[in-house]
Amino acid sequence: ELKVEQNPLFLSMQEGKNYTIYCNYSTTSDRLYWYRQDPGKSLESLFVLLSNGAVKQEGRLMASLDTKARLSTLHITAAVHDLSATYFCAVGTGTASKLTFGTGTRLQVTL
Amino acid sequence: NAGVTQTPKFRVLKTGQSMTLLCAQDMNHEYMYWYRQDPGMGLRLIHYSVGEGTTAKGEVPDGYNVSRLKKQNFLLGLESAAPSQTSVYFCASSSTSGGSYEQYFGPGTRLTVT
Repeated sequence: ELKVEQNPLFLSMQEGKNYTIYCNYSTTSDRLYWYRQDPGKSLESLFVLLSNGAVKQEGRLMASLDTKARLSTLHITAAVHDLSATYFCAVGTGTASKLTFGTGTRLQVTL
Repeated sequence: NAGVTQTPKFRVLKTGQSMTLLCAQDMNHEYMYWYRQDPGMGLRLIHYSVGEGTTAKGEVPDGYNVSRLKKQNFLLGLESAAPSQTSVYFCASSSTSGGSYEQYFGPGTRLTVT
């Protein structure tokens, strides 16, 4: 059974600081997705990582994938309040690319 | 394009009642999925479909049935609702072209079973 673990589960950080969210998974996969969810809202796709060594950046967020270590990271640079949300990683498996989600990291950026 | 839409947005059921949640997508996607999200947790896959007329079980299928009679629609049924099915339900769809299988999510249906 595939397990996807994120840490930390909760992160409070000041504006301007840097931090990294980690996503570990238990079986081989080369499809890793990051989503953002605001309270009471749906999931918004942030990044799609499809190969070992993949790195993608959008604004203050950068995601990477190491399939050998079964690890993905979401790095936040110079956080701003607008980044406050819950971030999920999800691993895709099988022909239908079924997603197994991590439990999420609730990020709170304080002024 | 509306993307992925879900009906209804909110619903309250009594234990034992039945209901159907409707998901529609206008992106001509082949794959469709139903997930549930419980407080403080990630989403869990209930059922999925790789094409019209085909469905398969996901991680937590018990108590649910699905049908995909048309490519653009994916229905989730609760035959006899239980309080444990109180959750937020999300539908998603993805395309097989391009290789990313990126899933696009609907706005969700908040279901409470009393």
